[in-house]
Amino acid sequence: RKEVEQDPGPFNVPEGATVAFNCTYSNSASQSFFWYRQDCRKEPKLLMSVYSSGNEDGRFTAQLNRASQYISLLIRDSKLSDSATYLCVVNMYLGADGLTFGKGTHLIIQP
Amino acid sequence: GAVVSQHPSWVICKSGTSVKIECRSLDFQATTMFWYRQFPKQSLMLMATSNEGSKATYEQGVEKDKFLINHASLTLSTLTVTSAHPEDSSFYICSAKPDRGASYEQYFGPGTRLTVT
Repeated sequence: RKEVEQDPGPFNVPEGATVAFNCTYSNSASQSFFWYRQDCRKEPKLLMSVYSSGNEDGRFTAQLNRASQYISLLIRDSKLSDSATYLCVVNMYLGADGLTFGKGTHLIIQP
Repeated sequence: GAVVSQHPSWVICKSGTSVKIECRSLDFQATTMFWYRQFPKQSLMLMATSNEGSKATYEQGVEKDKFLINHASLTLSTLTVTSAHPEDSSFYICSAKPDRGASYEQYFGPGTRLTVT
């Protein structure tokens, strides 16, 4: 089983729509969870951390379900500039700070 | 905000040569830095954790004698790909963990695209 699994997409979504991505992780002892955004041939940039209580940042909402080992990202009122690859990222191992990345979900917002 | 630079941005080298990539934290100190590698259409894979003043910790399957890491100061880590071969062609990205800040924070460099011919 892959450590962090995501649907690679691509997701083609019209501008203004709401879109959701999911991610599962294999290690139940994982410590921290994040969504990163990566544009083509660029480095990943932190979009938001994910907390058990769920958290929102503007149009973006992230949720974590530890029991199901499942993370989600919801984007409302999508913009053309949201087109990117969204990476589900997990800090899996206690005492280690290296991150485990999913392959990413490619999102294309269409005008 | 925290800025991490990498040099060079891209490099093309011949098989058998060695290439050094630099990762610098420009406005913060980082005892710990990380080196990742990303092949096309693949996820970033952690190669090693670089610790200032001590030996790097390599992930399983990463040859420490091939990928030499030196973390000589609190703002600089270098990755040297020795005797590079075409299969080493990849996007190499470093990240730096600020000594002061939340435990989960990491800031990524812009990456170095290596092509070995």
